[in-house]
Amino acid sequence: GAVVSQHPSWVICKSGTSVKIECRSLDFQATTMFWYRQFPKQSLMLMATSNEGSKATYEQGVEKDKFLINHASLTLSTLTVTSAHPEDSSFYICSANGQGTMAQHFGDGTRLSIL
Amino acid sequence: GDSVTQMEGPVTLSEEAFLTINCTYTATGYPSLFWYVQYPGEGLQLLLKATKADDKGSNKGFEATYRKETTSFHLEKGSVQVSDSAVYFCALGGYNQGGKLIFGQGTELSVKP
Repeated sequence: GAVVSQHPSWVICKSGTSVKIECRSLDFQATTMFWYRQFPKQSLMLMATSNEGSKATYEQGVEKDKFLINHASLTLSTLTVTSAHPEDSSFYICSANGQGTMAQHFGDGTRLSIL
Repeated sequence: GDSVTQMEGPVTLSEEAFLTINCTYTATGYPSLFWYVQYPGEGLQLLLKATKADDKGSNKGFEATYRKETTSFHLEKGSVQVSDSAVYFCALGGYNQGGKLIFGQGTELSVKP
């Protein structure tokens, strides 16, 4: 149980394009989802907390106009990297709280490469 | 503020050796404690958890005990395998942390045959 699916797993695109990443909870409802960014050989950096039906809460230093988050249903949150540039290249991971627990269940991540 | 500190890696062990990865924390309230494992190119998998002091979490031969008096949650395994090679993250989270997880920096484990 508590499976989180993230799509796509890998994307390469040209500078200036926008990229959408989907995060789905497959077998449970997730009122809260989280988006992280991870640089090579480093820990996870929380970007934002996504709440179903309301605006996301961004961490300090994260550009909300750059990283658009939508959480339109209890099983889907999306992260759109707008006008992506090479410095946005990274590994992006989403997670969702299991019901009644503080444990987060993670997707397999999306490797984003901007040329 | 709340924080988690792990021993630095990489940790290199021979197969069947005993593993300890130290984790200490600073936190307000009474958070739950977690160990996650990340294999190359993948997301994180929950390895084990403990929700209150003196709880022992265990899974796949790994175990860790929530020690409030020493603010620690050290990960141990009696006999590691090559397949245990991965990065291990200690984390804490609770209502005082707004539902967020606070991660340590991760410890890379490499097990040689």
